[in-house]
Amino acid sequence: AQKVTQAQTEISVVEKEDVTLDCVYETRDTTYYLFWYKQPPSGELVFLIRRNSFDEQNEISGRYSWNFQKSTSSFNFTITASQVVDSAVYFCALSEWSGNTPLVFGKGTRLSVIA
Amino acid sequence: GAVVSQHPSWVICKSGTSVKIECRSLDFQATTMFWYRQFPKQSLMLMATSNEGSKATYEQGVEKDKFLINHASLTLSTLTVTSAHPEDSSFYICSALGQTEAFFGQGTRLTVV
Repeated sequence: AQKVTQAQTEISVVEKEDVTLDCVYETRDTTYYLFWYKQPPSGELVFLIRRNSFDEQNEISGRYSWNFQKSTSSFNFTITASQVVDSAVYFCALSEWSGNTPLVFGKGTRLSVIA
Repeated sequence: GAVVSQHPSWVICKSGTSVKIECRSLDFQATTMFWYRQFPKQSLMLMATSNEGSKATYEQGVEKDKFLINHASLTLSTLTVTSAHPEDSSFYICSALGQTEAFFGQGTRLTVV
């Protein structure tokens, strides 16, 4: 069975600090996808990234970066120089490779960035 | 880009009434859509898989007679909460799979009073 664990329930940081959100996953599949989504107070899920299990290269997109470590089954997300607008709940998710399966979500990490 | 539109975004209904939520894929065809439920401060939990032209597949513990799903076309799936009760109050989100990612609707916040 697939499982995603986000051990950090809530994190508070002061604006401009860097913050890393942890994500650990479990799957028996050798190929799979990993995702990060942002959920602001409005509730809508905002897609941040999809990573396939073949690609372990770290990715950077502006202030966002992701570290995929297959050896430790982790897919951590770092926000550099955090801003108040980054305050939201962030979900890590996992899906099978077949492409026709639902995502399995972690419990989410609530990030509060304080001005 | 591909968009999934979900309506209504919020609804308040009386206990015992039924509520229908629509999920549309706007510029792509989705043979499969998923319905999730999210209680306050909790994660998204899969309720059911909606398949175009066939019966939906429900997750364990989800009452199929209470949460009716219809996927009559390649662009529309509906979730009807029948005889709603206050405990059904939740945030409901649909999702459709595109070629490169899963697209989510805006969500529907249901409050049953």
